Amino acid sequence: DAGVIQSPRHEVTEMGQEVTLRCKPISGHDYLFWYRQTMMRGLELLIYFNNNVPIDDSGMPEDRFSAKMPNASFSTLKIQPSEPRDSAVYFCASSLVIGSYNNEQFFGPGTRLTVL
Amino acid sequence: QKEVEQNSGPLSVPEGAIASLNCTYSDRGSQSFFWYRQYSGKSPELIMFIYSNGDKEDGRFTAQLNKASQYVSLLIRDSQPSDSATYLCAVSEGGGADGLTFGKGTHLIIQP
Repeated sequence: DAGVIQSPRHEVTEMGQEVTLRCKPISGHDYLFWYRQTMMRGLELLIYFNNNVPIDDSGMPEDRFSAKMPNASFSTLKIQPSEPRDSAVYFCASSLVIGSYNNEQFFGPGTRLTVL
Repeated sequence: QKEVEQNSGPLSVPEGAIASLNCTYSDRGSQSFFWYRQYSGKSPELIMFIYSNGDKEDGRFTAQLNKASQYVSLLIRDSQPSDSATYLCAVSEGGGADGLTFGKGTHLIIQP
């Protein structure tokens, strides 16, 4: 399996522009997670889906952020309008939940976003 | 507000010695505990998970959990230069079938 696929790997944009990050989870996985990593705040959960349905979006920082999962093999995270403080590495992760305590989340390579 | 605390380091350990990484968490409802390793510029990868009090061993790695003290640790025996990385402690209420709450990580340096 190719693992979790994210695109683009790097994105540089100007403040006010719309940014769309994409993720393809591992085939057969039923959970998908979006995280953001910065030096100041570490790795933070933004939102996660189960069977394409958003379960918890309490980590989404503002209304400027939105995420969708139209089908089991694709998800997007959109920022509109973008701001310099959104600069971070955005990770997508997926998981196949088979137990109660030990479900590994597999991370994609991340998208490094720079907002100028 | 769930919090996971780790010493940011850097923690410097001679090659061949034991590296000890510690983590405390605030949410008593946490059920599962994960250690992820992250090399610079790369994504996190799972090393170990633990959900029962006590020790769990996997090769050179031992995870230790004390729920009463809300404390998790990771021991790395016979440390190798390739173990140099940032180690992230993560906790979950739902066994990983929910969003993980991560600490900011401990930067470990193994000195040859």
